[in-house]
Amino acid sequence: RKEVEQDPGPFNVPEGATVAFNCTYSNSASQSFFWYRQDCRKEPKLLMSVYSSGNEDGRFTAQLNRASQYISLLIRDSKLSDSATYLCVAEGSSNYQLIWGAGTKLIIKP
Amino acid sequence: DAGITQSPRHKVTETGTPVTLRCHQTENHRYMYWYRQDPGHGLRLIHYSYGVKDTDKGEVSDGYSVSRSKTEDFLLTLESATSSQTSVYFCAIGTVSNQPQHFGDGTRLSIL
Repeated sequence: RKEVEQDPGPFNVPEGATVAFNCTYSNSASQSFFWYRQDCRKEPKLLMSVYSSGNEDGRFTAQLNRASQYISLLIRDSKLSDSATYLCVAEGSSNYQLIWGAGTKLIIKP
Repeated sequence: DAGITQSPRHKVTETGTPVTLRCHQTENHRYMYWYRQDPGHGLRLIHYSYGVKDTDKGEVSDGYSVSRSKTEDFLLTLESATSSQTSVYFCAIGTVSNQPQHFGDGTRLSIL
């Protein structure tokens, strides 16, 4: 089982809709969680950290569920520019180095 | 955009040859990282640095070495390249341990 798992998608979503995807992690002691976005053939960019109480940044909301060991990302009022691959990151069990999920591809359609 | 550049951006070379990738930053960030990204896998940490001459191994360090003689530069060396090292390599920098904040544009490396 991978330490960080994501549904690869693609999620095809109409513009303006709300979309959410989850990411599961295996290290119950993990303290740090992040979401990055990566455009096709580009570098990853930090989207937001994920805090225990949940956090919001504009149209984006990240939440942590420790009991079920997953984090989620919700995007409201989706824009065409939100089309990207979203990478989930959590601390792994080995020296707490970050472990990256393989990404969830999101396609926003007009 | 953060001042981080990788060179070369693309390289094709043969099995058994040495290869060095360079990461240069102008942000004076303490932490620097080298990752590889392969289809179906998340980014995997190769090596990282927490200061000049201070480096440590990541998840997939076999076959790679690094050096950081100056704050600005972090070099990744493949001593004898193998086809399994064909990948996209990303350098990243950060001010906080274990949180890469900015990535370079990546180096596409093909080992034939």
